[in-house]
Amino acid sequence: GAGVSQSPRYKVAKRGQDVALRCDPISGHVSLFWYQQALGQGPEFLTYFQNEAQLDKSGLPSDRFFAERPEGSVSTLKIQRTQQEDSAVYLCASSLALRNEQYFGPGTRLTVT
Amino acid sequence: GIQVEQSPPDLILQEGANSTLRCNFSDSVNNLQWFHQNPWGQLINLFYIPSGTKQNGRLSATTVATERYSLLYISSSQTTDSGVYFCAVVRAGTALIFGKGTTLSVSS
Repeated sequence: GAGVSQSPRYKVAKRGQDVALRCDPISGHVSLFWYQQALGQGPEFLTYFQNEAQLDKSGLPSDRFFAERPEGSVSTLKIQRTQQEDSAVYLCASSLALRNEQYFGPGTRLTVT
Repeated sequence: GIQVEQSPPDLILQEGANSTLRCNFSDSVNNLQWFHQNPWGQLINLFYIPSGTKQNGRLSATTVATERYSLLYISSSQTTDSGVYFCAVVRAGTALIFGKGTTLSVSS
């Protein structure tokens, strides 16, 4: 079946612009995660949804970062007033249930100039 | 929080060689996954292995949860095995905590 998909794959934003990154999880997966991966590092947790409920947002680096999953499937990660330090790959993952195996999308590479 | 350490950080092999990658973690875990991140950045699931041993073709993995480590074995390596191998664990929460990875380069 189809895996996790993300769009856009690449995004270039000028500093101060707002961006929206989309994630389509595997159909039927209840849990959805966002991670941020800086160059040369492992992914780091940002936020977690179970269905439409955002149960953990402890990894969001500032209040400029906002995520939603209004109907319990597609999720959007929004970054307001982008800064250069926001440049990274943003990865989405989904799992059938809490603590089950997580499957990752191809990521969105964000470059802030 | 829990610490995840991977070794070696870098590994260079000739095609056909075998290798062992290690992941140590500092506390008990509920979940452990091994991933291969290919040169295009895609994280590919290799094993979901909180304990025990699994094999998939030329790859196998063993997790000894009581001693807090996991091993990934790659036999008869191929150039397509090149990339970064990540170990990631879940402890009390929900998020995967990743190690820094092992970068593998296989030359023909």
